Order: sequence, then C-alpha cells, then structure tokens
Amino acid sequence: KAGVTQTPRYLIKTRGQQVTLSCSPISGHRSVSWYQQTPGQGLQFLFEYFSETQRNKGNFPGRFSGRQFSNSRSEMNVSTLELGDSALYLCASSILGSGSNAYEQYFGPGTRLTVT
Amino acid sequence: EDQVTQSPEALRLQEGESSSLNCSYTVSGLRGLFWYRQDPGKGPEFLFTLYSAGEEKEKERLKATLTKKESFLHITAPKPEDSATYLCAVQAGNTPLVFGKGTRLSVIA
Repeated sequence: KAGVTQTPRYLIKTRGQQVTLSCSPISGHRSVSWYQQTPGQGLQFLFEYFSETQRNKGNFPGRFSGRQFSNSRSEMNVSTLELGDSALYLCASSILGSGSNAYEQYFGPGTRLTVT
Repeated sequence: EDQVTQSPEALRLQEGESSSLNCSYTVSGLRGLFWYRQDPGKGPEFLFTLYSAGEEKEKERLKATLTKKESFLHITAPKPEDSATYLCAVQAGNTPLVFGKGTRLSVIA
C-alpha cells in the first residue's frame, strides 16, 4: 500500500502571503490529522477530519484552516503568513488498530514551509 | 490536561550499549500509547501501539513496555542506524494524540 503523500515537500513564502498544503491519506483511511512541528514546540496538533467533518481542532489562530474532500484527501490553508509559521507541517492518516479502540496514525513526509 | 513527558531529552550510546527511554503520562481513560521514530527532516515512522498495562511489543532491537503511568522503549545492542528521535504519544477518549517532546538518540560506532 502506498503511504501518506504530501505536496509540496518544500515551500518558501513571504510574510503576508497565504499557502495551501495537500495531503493524500493511505487508501482506506478516512481520518486525516494535521500537525505543526517546530524545534522548540515539538509536534502540535492543528486539526483532524473524518468523513469531511472536522472532528477536533487545536489551539491555533483562525488563520489556519483545513478541509477534507469526499475521497479523504485533505488540504490545509494558512493565510497572512507570519515568520513564526515556518515549520514542518505533517499530515497523518489513521485507522483503528486491530483489536482495540485506539486509532493508529501514519505520517507523511511533511511539507517544510519557510516564511521570509 | 493530558500530559506526556519523555526522558532523557538526549542520549548518547556506544554501539552495543543497551539502554531505555522513558515516557511518563497523565491521562484519563488511556486508549493507546504509541511510539514513533523520526529521522531529521522526515515524518515520524510508526513503531508500536500499546493498549493496556503489562503489554509488551518487540521489533528487532526495540522492545516497548507499558505500565499504568509510564512506558519504556528498551534498545538492545543498538547500532548507529538506530540514531533518531523517538517520540511517544498517548490517545485518551476522543481527544487528539498528545505527543512528548521526544528523546534524541545518538549511537556511536
């Protein structure tokens, strides 16, 4: 099975611009989560989508938004970029672990966003 | 508030020198504890899921164990290719995964 794919892999934007990142989950996975990873803060949860509905949302400003399409692909958008938005943005798709009620998350390679 | 603390922050081992990484957690209603390996500039790679206290899982030189308050990732006879950051995360209720800050492991030949 193909893993989680994210595009683009690298992106350089200027402060004030907006950006859209894309994520294609593993086939059959209906849940997609997004994370921001920075050296100082570690992995921070942005939001989670399941069957096109936002199921959970982290503590990020409204400039960060996302959506999921009927084929489970997801996009996240950051408007009015700030220097502090420079980070590795990770997407993970999840599936219920065998014999449990915990969802196992599988990550993509990430999109490295640099804001100048 | 659910919390996950990993220790040590960084660990340097000689090749073949076994050790353990710790992940302590405080959550209500643990559904699962997860271990990941992350290489620089890449996404985390799934290693293990542990569901209940007393459970153990093994993969090559790695063995993960779980108690009611913490999990250990034991690394037996590590090799330089085991160098990476190891992340622990917990899932409780219907809340998102909560990650620890990770342990940076360096294995020197």
